[in-house]
Amino acid sequence: DAKTTQPPSMDCAEGRAANLPCNHSTISGNEYVYWYRQIHSQGPQYIIHGLKNNETNEMASLIITEDRKSSTLILPHATLRDTAVYYCIVRPADRGSTLGRLYFGRGTQLTVWP
Amino acid sequence: DADVTQTPRNRITKTGKRIMLECSQTKGHDRMYWYRQDPGLGLRLIYYSFDVKDINKGEISDGYSVSRQAQAKFSLSLESAIPNQTALYFCATSDSMTARWGDTQYFGPGTRLTVL
Repeated sequence: DAKTTQPPSMDCAEGRAANLPCNHSTISGNEYVYWYRQIHSQGPQYIIHGLKNNETNEMASLIITEDRKSSTLILPHATLRDTAVYYCIVRPADRGSTLGRLYFGRGTQLTVWP
Repeated sequence: DADVTQTPRNRITKTGKRIMLECSQTKGHDRMYWYRQDPGLGLRLIYYSFDVKDINKGEISDGYSVSRQAQAKFSLSLESAIPNQTALYFCATSDSMTARWGDTQYFGPGTRLTVL
């Protein structure tokens, strides 16, 4: 039930910005856009999420288009430790005892090179 | 994230053995989850619990059982392990108090289980 489309792989030079795109053309009005990443075989790590406004935290920025059909995760100064699989996930805000599942899909393998 | 711990980190066992994987969290969250990850298949939800008295099956619960001993502890058991349960297992937590603004889940480091 993938609701997002991401490129399978990208690369980026260390110190440069990494811009990871995600298409979610069927997103519903109450669905958030989440980004997680997984460094090889480690537990997935939450990065950021948003509904319709752009968001920024200490890890990254999330830019959501006005029609909400796509978004971009920006790592402003990529380092070698940012090499990971990045997952874009859409999920409704909780309104009660809804299923807690996160559908991770295949994600984008980001490789940061020196 | 050290707030969510899993034990053991690695386990090798034989077919037919009963295995328990444990998860503890210090985040004070009420919701806990068990996922498994197989190569090429992403993460799949096994069981989830929204509080100590609430246990729910996920999409692949057959062959597994869980116990929520306390708000901070959620254990996953394989009643009689079989080779196709060889996988990476992750525990996760989330907080219902913030769920209406997005139910962010925080994951443990994982347990690599091999069933021979």
